[in-house]
Amino acid sequence: TQLLEQSPQFLSIQEGENLTVYCNSSSVFSSLQWYRQEPGEGPVLLVTVVTGGEVKKLKRLTFQFGDARKDSSLHITAAQPGDTGLYLCAGPLFGNEKLTFGTGTRLTIIP
Amino acid sequence: DTGVSQDPRHKITKRGQNVTFRCDPISEHNRLYWYRQTLGQGPEFLTYFQNEAQLEKSRLLSDRFSAERPKGSFSTLEIQRTEQGDSAMYLCASSLAYGLAGNTGELFFGEGSRLTVL
Repeated sequence: TQLLEQSPQFLSIQEGENLTVYCNSSSVFSSLQWYRQEPGEGPVLLVTVVTGGEVKKLKRLTFQFGDARKDSSLHITAAQPGDTGLYLCAGPLFGNEKLTFGTGTRLTIIP
Repeated sequence: DTGVSQDPRHKITKRGQNVTFRCDPISEHNRLYWYRQTLGQGPEFLTYFQNEAQLEKSRLLSDRFSAERPKGSFSTLEIQRTEQGDSAMYLCASSLAYGLAGNTGELFFGEGSRLTVL
């Protein structure tokens, strides 16, 4: 059983479209991180959200942490081919400091 | 380059052989993590260290896997008697301890060591 479920697992859309990726859990996290990973590379941190309800923006990417700290979303506006990659959410469970990763969303932006 | 480095980047071995991976973390980071990742999946936690102490080891990790961080700097991950199911990317990451200096646990990953067991 995965503690962090991401949806969709795969997403392929045209350049210029908008999309949202979801990260859900039944457990509470003290913070949530989003990473992007390209083939043959390690994941690279995009953002960390800490407070329930927090919204952070990184250019065309908007990240939100759920009020109850059990879920998060990543919204991309006007997707570009450079956004292609594996998007991973991750977080430390309360009382446990190791980082647990989600199942991943593989995003492909078609030019 | 002050990032996390892993060696080797690729390893092809025959079933039953032993393999060892090395990870050099960012120098000021006291936490070091090992994860395993199969194609298209999220990284799966294996073990982590704070300085030289191994704080947690996944129950999924068989006795064939062992990790060390003898001086609190670099770490090695050894897999004995490799099996085809061990084929994966082995990722190392480092960080400051959670809560230290306001740190919220961000991990800095190396590029990984890809293992193929024939």
